[in-house]
Amino acid sequence: DAGVIQSPRHEVTEMGQEVTLRCKPISGHNSLFWYRQTMMRGLELLIYFNNNVPIDDSGMPEDRFSAKMPNASFSTLKIQPSEPRDSAVYFCASSLGRGDTEAFFGQGTRLTVV
Amino acid sequence: DQQVKQNSPSLSVQEGRISILNCDYTNSMFDYFLWYKKYPAEGPTFLISISSIKDKNEDGRFTVFLNKSAKHLSLHIVPSQPGDSAVYFCAAISNAGNMLTFGGGTRLMVKP
Repeated sequence: DAGVIQSPRHEVTEMGQEVTLRCKPISGHNSLFWYRQTMMRGLELLIYFNNNVPIDDSGMPEDRFSAKMPNASFSTLKIQPSEPRDSAVYFCASSLGRGDTEAFFGQGTRLTVV
Repeated sequence: DQQVKQNSPSLSVQEGRISILNCDYTNSMFDYFLWYKKYPAEGPTFLISISSIKDKNEDGRFTVFLNKSAKHLSLHIVPSQPGDSAVYFCAAISNAGNMLTFGGGTRLMVKP
């Protein structure tokens, strides 16, 4: 298995533009997580899906952030409009779900909003 | 309100010596703890874990200790190697869910 695949690896965009980050979880994994890493706050959980259904989105910072999981093999995290303070590394992770506690992470997307 | 805290942002150790990374938590519902290791430009990778029913788990050079009464866990690496230089994240899961709550990370530098 290729592991969790995220795209793009790097994204530079202007303030106000829409940004879409993509994630392909490991095949067979039922849980998918989006995390954001910043110097100030470390790794923060943004949203968690189980069987394609959002279970907890309390970490999503604002209405500008939205996440979808239309099927078991794909998820997106969208920021619209983007702001400079959204600059961070965004990680997607997947796990087998309840009872399996180890999550496997993608390589992350480094987002820079100028 | 950080439920998982790593109070040392960085640690420098000489090769061959022991590295001790510490982690404190506040949520008594946490019952499973993990350590992840992260190299630059890569995602975190799982290193070692411990259930709350144990106080120690060992895997090669890596040992995790859990002190439930103090709500404290630590990761010991012995002997430390230059390749161990990375950021180490402590994480916890509550018995009510499946979400990892991470600490802020500790950057370990092992000097040759």
